[in-house]
Amino acid sequence: GAGVSQSPSNKVTEKGKDVELRCDPISGHTALYWYRQSLGQGLEFLIYFQGNSAPDKSGLPSDRFSAERTGGSVSTLTIQRTQQEDSAVYLCASSSLSGGLYYNEQFFGPGTRLTVL
Amino acid sequence: AQKVTQAQTEISVVEKEDVTLDCVYETRDTTYYLFWYKQPPSGELVFLIRRNSFDEQNEISGRYSWNFQKSTSSFNFTITASQVVDSAVYFCALSEAGNQFYFGTGTSLTVIP
Repeated sequence: GAGVSQSPSNKVTEKGKDVELRCDPISGHTALYWYRQSLGQGLEFLIYFQGNSAPDKSGLPSDRFSAERTGGSVSTLTIQRTQQEDSAVYLCASSSLSGGLYYNEQFFGPGTRLTVL
Repeated sequence: AQKVTQAQTEISVVEKEDVTLDCVYETRDTTYYLFWYKQPPSGELVFLIRRNSFDEQNEISGRYSWNFQKSTSSFNFTITASQVVDSAVYFCALSEAGNQFYFGTGTSLTVIP
């Protein structure tokens, strides 16, 4: 079946511009996560959506970052007034519930490589 | 405090050697899940294994094996007879009830032919 998809795969933008990154999770997965991975670094948690609950935004690095998830499915990560330090690969993952409380493994998308000039 | 610690940043081994990647976690929950993921040079993260806190049995899958020890809060991953295709970054992760996943910083494994 279809996995997690992300678009665009690559995005080059100029400093100060806004960008939108899209994630299509696996159908039926109630949890959706955004991570950032800088070159050669680990995964930096940004935000996660869990069903209809309020999202956990504790990882967003600044108020220039925001995300929404419409209809419990597609999610958009928006970065306003991009800075060069925002350059990274942005990964989306989705997961289903196990036993109503714990999440199964995350399935990751291929990522969006963002380059801010 | 780091919930998942992968102390080994980079490891290099010669092909056919065995290698163990360490993972130490921290949680107060009695029920939790542990995971290992592989990120090859192509970039896409691949799920390897999921283990719940009540199952301490070691698991073997081909050349891969995992040693889960609650007494030391460790969930180590061993690759036997390593191959060049095993070269990747490996991430250990922890999931607690209803919460986000916590990933370690990753261990970059290079297998030299």
